Amino acid sequence: DAKTTQPPSMDCAEGRAANLPCNHSTISGNEYVYWYRQIHSQGPQYIIHGLKNNETNEMASLIITEDRKSSTLILPHATLRDTAVYYCIVRVAMDTGRRALTFGSGTRLQVQP
Amino acid sequence: GAVVSQHPSRVICKSGTSVKIECRSLDFQATTMFWYRQFPKQSLMLMATSNEGSKATYEQGVEKDKFLINHASLTLSTLTVTSAHPEDSSFYICSARDGAGGARNEQYFGPGTRLTVT
Repeated sequence: DAKTTQPPSMDCAEGRAANLPCNHSTISGNEYVYWYRQIHSQGPQYIIHGLKNNETNEMASLIITEDRKSSTLILPHATLRDTAVYYCIVRVAMDTGRRALTFGSGTRLQVQP
Repeated sequence: GAVVSQHPSRVICKSGTSVKIECRSLDFQATTMFWYRQFPKQSLMLMATSNEGSKATYEQGVEKDKFLINHASLTLSTLTVTSAHPEDSSFYICSARDGAGGARNEQYFGPGTRLTVT
């Protein structure tokens, strides 16, 4: 899996958009970008994933640069419940090798009232 | 969506005793389950991978005789911490892989079990 780099922490005002960056300069052509988050004392929660096109779902938007070397997770209207550690993970999708997800240190997002 | 449960959510045990943690996939068959451990302010660390009906594969540095994993059915895996010590106190999280192939992601995570060894 390609290495990812994320800022250790970020603050965001409640109601504003939270933009969480991730660098993955060594990403391979068949590797997807996944985002998970972990609220304190809970298991990780899937947010979104993408290959090269921008993606949007009910939780967030994922913007992937054209060269795919970086991406940004956007929470359009952050709430206090979005305070969590956000993990950017790069890996091959539908991995028949049955490998586990590997978590880095992530970004601790603190949404301020 | 796919749901994974863990039981218990919290457990306190005395040093030297054994503790069993259950991980269940509630609405899908999990051919593979993963066990992670997370210490305070740290990221999740993979402990082992278990495949239904076969022996678990442990990550380097994880003692297989101390952390017993049983994946006897397609919906249940158990982790037994044997002869627990205070340094085993941690947050244990399981995840399950949908054997049919997840629609949007392959792994679904349980809510975690907080183990405290006194």
